[in-house]
Amino acid sequence: KQEVTQIPAALSVPEGENLVLNCSFTDSAIYNLQWFRQDPGKGLTSLLLIQSSQREQTSGRLNASLDKSSGRSTLYIAASQPGDSATYLCAVTDSWGKFQFGAGTQVVVTP
Amino acid sequence: DGGITQSPKYLFRKEGQNVTLSCEQNLNHDAMYWYRQDPGQGLRLIYYSQIVNDFQKGDIAEGYSVSREKKESFPLTVTSAQKNPTAFYLCASSSVGASPYNEQFFGPGTRLTVL
Repeated sequence: KQEVTQIPAALSVPEGENLVLNCSFTDSAIYNLQWFRQDPGKGLTSLLLIQSSQREQTSGRLNASLDKSSGRSTLYIAASQPGDSATYLCAVTDSWGKFQFGAGTQVVVTP
Repeated sequence: DGGITQSPKYLFRKEGQNVTLSCEQNLNHDAMYWYRQDPGQGLRLIYYSQIVNDFQKGDIAEGYSVSREKKESFPLTVTSAQKNPTAFYLCASSSVGASPYNEQFFGPGTRLTVL
């Protein structure tokens, strides 16, 4: 069974520092990996989706990499801002089209 | 605006009551999903549907039921058999291509509390 792990569970950085969030998965037979942001009490907002054939995706200050063979993805957020404070979740899609989520990394960016 | 709506935002249930959570999407997506989120935990899949009139159990389907009579709608009923239903419920949808599966979009969620 696919297991998705996100370490650390929580992270606090000063404004302006780069953020590095990790996601690991046990079964490399994935179709997609998607990164989400969740604000308290809200739904999930999609940030980036990486297809299984891709190695990275970029959107503005966000960059996500994917290494299927080692079962890892990393989300980089450049020059963090207080508005980046949220919980970040990763999810992988398996061969049945089901999404398996990690527990998330709670990020606090201090001014 | 295209998107996913969920109602109500907050829902209170008495012991022994069935309650139904609404999920509607106008993104023309074939697939729809229901997840449960507990504090400090990731999302767990309850049910999903990839086509009208068909749905599959997820990892924690016991005590829940769904229907998919229309492409746009995927209501979730929390039955009295669900012993610990207090949680945040999230509905999502995605298109289903030949390969690979596409981006998943989420509604704003419904917070269910048992009184």
